[in-house]
Amino acid sequence: QQQVRQSPQSLTVWEGETAILNCSYENSAFDYFPWYQQFPGEGPALLIAIRSVSDKKEDGRFTIFFNKREKKLSLHITDSQPGDSATYFCAASEGGEGGSAKLIFGEGTKLTVSS
Amino acid sequence: GALVYQYPRRTICKSGTSMRMECQAVGFQATSVAWYRQSPQKTFELIALSTVNSAIKYEQNFTQEKFPISHPNLSFSSMTVLNAYLEDRGLYLCGARALNTLYFGEGSRLIVV
Repeated sequence: QQQVRQSPQSLTVWEGETAILNCSYENSAFDYFPWYQQFPGEGPALLIAIRSVSDKKEDGRFTIFFNKREKKLSLHITDSQPGDSATYFCAASEGGEGGSAKLIFGEGTKLTVSS
Repeated sequence: GALVYQYPRRTICKSGTSMRMECQAVGFQATSVAWYRQSPQKTFELIALSTVNSAIKYEQNFTQEKFPISHPNLSFSSMTVLNAYLEDRGLYLCGARALNTLYFGEGSRLIVV
């Protein structure tokens, strides 16, 4: 059973457009949601994260919108650049001492930004 | 910034042999280390969670007998894949936790032939 789901599986946008990556989860106990960006041949790099007490987190061109009631969140990348082309993983974890180290990952969205 | 260094980046091993990989946290002390395996079929699988001075917790389908882990201090951990077979192929990622954030290394890719 996939506890964290991402859609779409792949997404292509034009340079300058806003890319919207979706994520949903099953476990109501999840309260920490990081997004990781991964380029081919590299490890995943933390991009931005949100806790369930917030409904929005912004960092430059990257914004997470979080809907706790619907158990959904989305990552918006504004003014998309070719360098943003990567696979983006949504992850979730429960609180507690070891909580954020035990992440449940989605299957990723492969983003391609065309120029 | 928080950096996690993994070695080796890539190993090709014969079926039935073993591979040891290392993980070093640079610039910070990792309160815990999580080992994951990333494969095309199963995205990220958590293998085990290791906290210094606590027992290592293995996830279902992963055992200490197959994936022994050493975590002697707050900046270093190692894991061995014993008797590797084709189903063990993948990118093994070390995630080091600091300030409630998990930082990953570049991974150690295991290729079994």
